[in-house]
Amino acid sequence: AQSVAQPEDQVNVAEGNPLTVKCTYSVSGNPYLFWYVQYPNRGLQFLLKYITGDNLVKGSYGFEAEFNKSQTSFHLKKPSALVSDSALYFCAVREPPGYSSASKIIFGSGTRLSIRP
Amino acid sequence: GAVVSQHPSRVICKSGTSVKIECRSLDFQATTMFWYRQFPKQSLMLMATSNEGSKATYEQGVEKDKFLINHASLTLSTLTVTSAHPEDSSFYICSARVGTFDTGELFFGEGSRLTVL
Repeated sequence: AQSVAQPEDQVNVAEGNPLTVKCTYSVSGNPYLFWYVQYPNRGLQFLLKYITGDNLVKGSYGFEAEFNKSQTSFHLKKPSALVSDSALYFCAVREPPGYSSASKIIFGSGTRLSIRP
Repeated sequence: GAVVSQHPSRVICKSGTSVKIECRSLDFQATTMFWYRQFPKQSLMLMATSNEGSKATYEQGVEKDKFLINHASLTLSTLTVTSAHPEDSSFYICSARVGTFDTGELFFGEGSRLTVL
């Protein structure tokens, strides 16, 4: 069964500094990987995904993530943080088609990102 | 991206009553929808997979008689919490995948906060 881990409950960064939110995964076969953001009392917004191709994936709001197969990681990054980036971030994984649980997306525990002015 | 509408956004009910939450895909057809539950400061827990025209598939530990899911059309899935109790109070979020082609990501509704008194 697939699983995903976000080792940090909270990440604090000063505005203008680069940010990284960590994610590692465990899945059979080549993974589908996702990042979502959640603002208070709201649903989740899709940021970016990795299915295949370039290991560096660019997404919404200037975020990017790097797929590292050897380290089974998919860390979210942004070169220069904004106060408005403060939110809850979820990494998610699913197995590719052909596996019994392929239709399900499993979420990590979430990392709260706090950007101070 | 695709738009998923969820209603109501907030509902307060008395213990023992039933509550229905609707999830609609506004600009696409969703053969598969997913229902998640989120506790405060926690991740999303997949409750069930809703397939248009067939019975929902529930995750282990989720009571199918408690959480009734109906996916009667390609644009509407409903979750009914029957005989609600205070421990059912939570944030419920639906999501949908576009059409039958597996593009990977899910699109989420804005969530429904249920409070059972």
